[in-house]
Amino acid sequence: AQSVTQLGSHVSVSEGALVLLRCNYSSSVPPYLFWYVQYPNQGLQLLLKYTTGATLVKGINGFEAEFKKSETSFHLTKPSAHMSDAAEYFCAVSGEYGNKLVFGAGTILRVKS
Amino acid sequence: DGGITQSPKYLFRKEGQNVTLSCEQNLNHDAMYWYRQDPGQGLRLIYYSQIVNDFQKGDIAEGYSVSREKKESFPLTVTSAQKNPTAFYLCASSISPGQIYGYTFGSGTRLTVV
Repeated sequence: AQSVTQLGSHVSVSEGALVLLRCNYSSSVPPYLFWYVQYPNQGLQLLLKYTTGATLVKGINGFEAEFKKSETSFHLTKPSAHMSDAAEYFCAVSGEYGNKLVFGAGTILRVKS
Repeated sequence: DGGITQSPKYLFRKEGQNVTLSCEQNLNHDAMYWYRQDPGQGLRLIYYSQIVNDFQKGDIAEGYSVSREKKESFPLTVTSAQKNPTAFYLCASSISPGQIYGYTFGSGTRLTVV
């Protein structure tokens, strides 16, 4: 069965510093991978997704992620953190059966001024 | 604009009461989902439906019920059998197959037992 591990339930960075949120997955089939962002008391918003093709995927708000099959990873990065990036981030992988996505436990990003 | 509407935003339930959370979408999506979110536990799947008049239990279906009489609507009832219902509930929808296109989420309903 598919699974997702997000390393670090909380990550803290200074404003202007690199953001790196880690996601490792397991899948018995070629995966589709997603990153979502959630602001307090709101739903999840799609940041970016990998389906096929180029392994470096660019998303909204300056975020990007790279699919590395050999490392079963899909880490999310942003070169320079902004205060507005403070939120919870979820990695997800396509489910093996049906239409379901499997979500990681989430990483809360804190941005310090 | 197309999207998913969840109502109400905040809901309070007394012990022993059933309550129904509304989820409506105008995206013409086939599949719909209900998730429960608790601090530090990520998203847990309650029920999902891939077509009208059909739905499947997720990982934590006990104490919940759903219906899918229309493509646009997927209401969730939290019954008195759910012993710890206080949580944030998220509804989502997807074009079938959802694993390629991802999900679109509503803005959530926060349920509190008083």
